[in-house]
Amino acid sequence: AQSVTQPDIHITVSEGASLELRCNYSYGATPYLFWYVQSPGQGLQLLLKYFSGDTLVQGIKGFEAEFKRSQSSFNLRKPSVHWSDAAEYFCAVGARTGGGNKLTFGTGTQLKVEL
Amino acid sequence: SAVISQKPSRDICQRGTSLTIQCQVDSQVTMMFWYRQQPGQSLTLIATANQGSEATYESGFVIDKFPISRPNLTFSTLTVSNMSPEDSSIYLCSVEAIDSFYGYTFGSGTRLTVV
Repeated sequence: AQSVTQPDIHITVSEGASLELRCNYSYGATPYLFWYVQSPGQGLQLLLKYFSGDTLVQGIKGFEAEFKRSQSSFNLRKPSVHWSDAAEYFCAVGARTGGGNKLTFGTGTQLKVEL
Repeated sequence: SAVISQKPSRDICQRGTSLTIQCQVDSQVTMMFWYRQQPGQSLTLIATANQGSEATYESGFVIDKFPISRPNLTFSTLTVSNMSPEDSSIYLCSVEAIDSFYGYTFGSGTRLTVV
């Protein structure tokens, strides 16, 4: 069965600083990988996804993620954080099952941005 | 991408009662998913709902506790039955659009508090 680990529960960065959120996955085949963001009181918004091809994926809001098969990682990065980026970030892996596609989420990383 | 309307957005319920959550999508979708997000936790898939067939439940979730209806390609309901304080969570509806492989969209969620 697939699983996702986000080792950092909380991260605090200063506005304008760079950001990297870690994600490690476990899956027996080529994974489908996602990053979602959840702002307080909101649903989840897809930032980016990786299916195949170029291992560096560009997303919305200036985010990018790099798939590293050798490290089973899919870390999310942003060169310069804005105060509005404060939210919870979830990494997820997708797998084909008999019932269709299924997403398994990590436990999330809460990002705080200091002004 | 699909737009999801989820109702109610929040509710406070007495233990022992039931609450039905509605998920309306603005386009036809193949798969609809119901997730639970317990306080401070990640998302856990409850069940997958296909139109015209019974929902498929994940381990730890049963139909008697979380009955689901999927009468057409744009609508689904999740009922939380015989509620206890442990059911206090955010419940989210998610869809995968017919024309968008792994194009998952999430509703804004229903914040349920059981007292």
